[in-house]
Amino acid sequence: TQLLEQSPQFLSIQEGENLTVYCNSSSVFSSLQWYRQEPGEGPVLLVTVVTGGEVKKLKRLTFQFGDARKDSSLHITAAQPGDTGLYLCAGTYKYIFGTGTRLKVLA
Amino acid sequence: EAGVTQFPSHSVIEKGQTVTLRCDPISGHDNLYWYRRVMGKEIKFLLHFVKESKQDESGMPNNRFLAERTGGTYSTLKVQPAELEDSGVYFCASSQIQGAPAFFGQGTRLTVV
Repeated sequence: TQLLEQSPQFLSIQEGENLTVYCNSSSVFSSLQWYRQEPGEGPVLLVTVVTGGEVKKLKRLTFQFGDARKDSSLHITAAQPGDTGLYLCAGTYKYIFGTGTRLKVLA
Repeated sequence: EAGVTQFPSHSVIEKGQTVTLRCDPISGHDNLYWYRRVMGKEIKFLLHFVKESKQDESGMPNNRFLAERTGGTYSTLKVQPAELEDSGVYFCASSQIQGAPAFFGQGTRLTVV
């Protein structure tokens, strides 16, 4: 069974802090997606990374795809309460989702 | 432009009953996906339509689940008969291009009692 393991599972930080969330697998993916989900809503696509080693920036969010295309990271700079939510990575092989990281940013 | 819409938002049914979930994708999106999240678990892929054809239904749990997309527009997911373990949130997503479900609906929370 293909698995995407995310770490940490939970993260509670103060506003203004930086954080990194990881998404790891033993499988190679043709691309990886990151989503954010809020309670009562469906996941919202943030970014797709395709090329090994690729780095994409979305305002204060930086996404990196591992060279071997087996892992990815999401780095948030100067976190804000609005960043609170469930962050999910997903791989397009069989469209599998990661286990999720629940982030809470305290004001 | 309307996003992906799902109906109903909540459904509570008794074990053995039938439930039909509906998904209206974004207009023009050929790719439609169904997912399910059972409590405490990750979101799991159920199946993928390209227009009206089932591209991949490898995630369907068993033959109590039937998905259709007649005419390549909206899709339905029927569970018959429902079992307790079918409880969870069912998500639908659509994309213009194949590869990644880009737009998700808000989900249907199904509770089987």
